[in-house]
Amino acid sequence: GAVVSQHPSRVICKSGTSVKIECRSLDFQATTMFWYRQFPKQSLMLMATSNEGSKATYEQGVEKDKFLINHASLTLSTLTVTSAHPEDSSFYICSARGNRGQINTEAFFGQGTRLTVV
Amino acid sequence: AQSVTQPDIHITVSEGASLELRCNYSYGATPYLFWYVQSPGQGLQLLLKYFSGDTLVQGIKGFEAEFKRSQSSFNLRKPSVHWSDAAEYFCAVGAKAGTALIFGKGTTLSVSS
Repeated sequence: GAVVSQHPSRVICKSGTSVKIECRSLDFQATTMFWYRQFPKQSLMLMATSNEGSKATYEQGVEKDKFLINHASLTLSTLTVTSAHPEDSSFYICSARGNRGQINTEAFFGQGTRLTVV
Repeated sequence: AQSVTQPDIHITVSEGASLELRCNYSYGATPYLFWYVQSPGQGLQLLLKYFSGDTLVQGIKGFEAEFKRSQSSFNLRKPSVHWSDAAEYFCAVGAKAGTALIFGKGTTLSVSS
C-alpha cells in the first residue's frame, strides 16, 4: 500500500506557542488530505479536508484560524496549531488519498502526532 | 444523520477463542466500510474494507467481516485470537472510496491467557 509519513510523532510545547505537523505522501501524489483529531479513549473526528492548491474545508466547530492547514504540494500538507493551549493537547492524524488505482480507493493514514501543551 | 455505532466499549477474550466485534452504521447512501486497528500511541492500520461484491470480506491478520445491508451491520470476526491482537478497533464508513471517514468510538480488545 501507499505510505504516509507524519512528523513529528511526539511534540511538547509551551502554552502560547505554535506547532507545525507535517504529513507527507512518500510514494504517491496526494490530491486530497484529511486531518483528524483523537482525544484520549475516544474516536477520530475529522477536522478538515484539503485539496492540493486549494483552501482547506473545515468541519463545523473547528477554528480555521487556530488550526492552519496548508496543502501546497502534492506530497505535503501541514497542520499548524497556533497559540496552543493545554486543551489542544491531543493525537492528530492525517490521511492522504491519490487519484488513480488503489490510491484512489482508500485514504492512507499517517502514524499520528501526539501533541502535549504544557 | 450519518453515524457508526460500536456497541461494545471493551471486550476481553481468551487467547485462542473466537472474536466478533460489532459495528452498525447509519448512512444515507451506499456505504464504503472499513475496519482499522490501533495499537497504543500508534496510527491506524487498515484490516479490511468493503466497497461492493461479496459481502464476506477477508482482511489481514486472519480477520474477516461480513456486510449485512438488511441489518446495517459490518461485524468483524476472527476464529482464533492471539495475544498480539490486543488493541483498539475502529469501524468506519465513508461516502465513497477515498473520502473522509466517520468513525465509531472504538472497541478495546483485551486478550487473556
